[in-house]
Amino acid sequence: SAVISQKPSRDICQRGTSLTIQCQVDSQVTMMFWYRQQPGQSLTLIATANQGSEATYESGFVIDKFPISRPNLTFSTLTVSNMSPEDSSIYLCSGAGTQSSYNEQFFGPGTRLTVL
Amino acid sequence: GQQLNQSPQSMFIQEGEDVSMNCTSSSIFNTWLWYKQDPGEGPVLLIALYKAGELTSNGRLTAQFGITRKDSFLNISASIPSDVGIYFCAGQLRNGNQFYFGTGTSLTVIP
Repeated sequence: SAVISQKPSRDICQRGTSLTIQCQVDSQVTMMFWYRQQPGQSLTLIATANQGSEATYESGFVIDKFPISRPNLTFSTLTVSNMSPEDSSIYLCSGAGTQSSYNEQFFGPGTRLTVL
Repeated sequence: GQQLNQSPQSMFIQEGEDVSMNCTSSSIFNTWLWYKQDPGEGPVLLIALYKAGELTSNGRLTAQFGITRKDSFLNISASIPSDVGIYFCAGQLRNGNQFYFGTGTSLTVIP
């Protein structure tokens, strides 16, 4: 398995600002993903973070709003840009594709974002 | 994204009872994963399934990869209070890398 950490764990932000969330994996993973989860709801996939190239976004999510970086096999960032209260949510990073567990996906603890 | 429907949406059971939940989709999946999520935490992987018909156990948990590849099932035997939480299925499409999540089943165990 892989251990995933996220920073910050929570933040309260003002409308119109941007926040960058960092995701660090303790081992190399083939795939990294970003999800959003509203309280009491399921996880919605935002995008696949691709190493060395642009992220692949799901329907309803765009790069201008959620720019993603993945400079190597253990690190990724998600920026929530020009935030509004509707962006208040939990943002979760995941990794999949380790040497020992190719198709198993592991999650970070999440970043709880509140936008005022 | 893909739609994965879980049922039941919530369950209230007595400690010691067995639990069954399922996950269905209109799409064919290559991999099924089952997770448990506690409040304020990320989902924790319970079981991974890779082959149609596969039956895999992890302690008191047993999960099955449906023959049609469009569904999966999770059973918990002899439930205990720490089984409380939200259970999610997640599927990986045959022609992609992304994992899509089910709607979740909330489990409450009454001591």
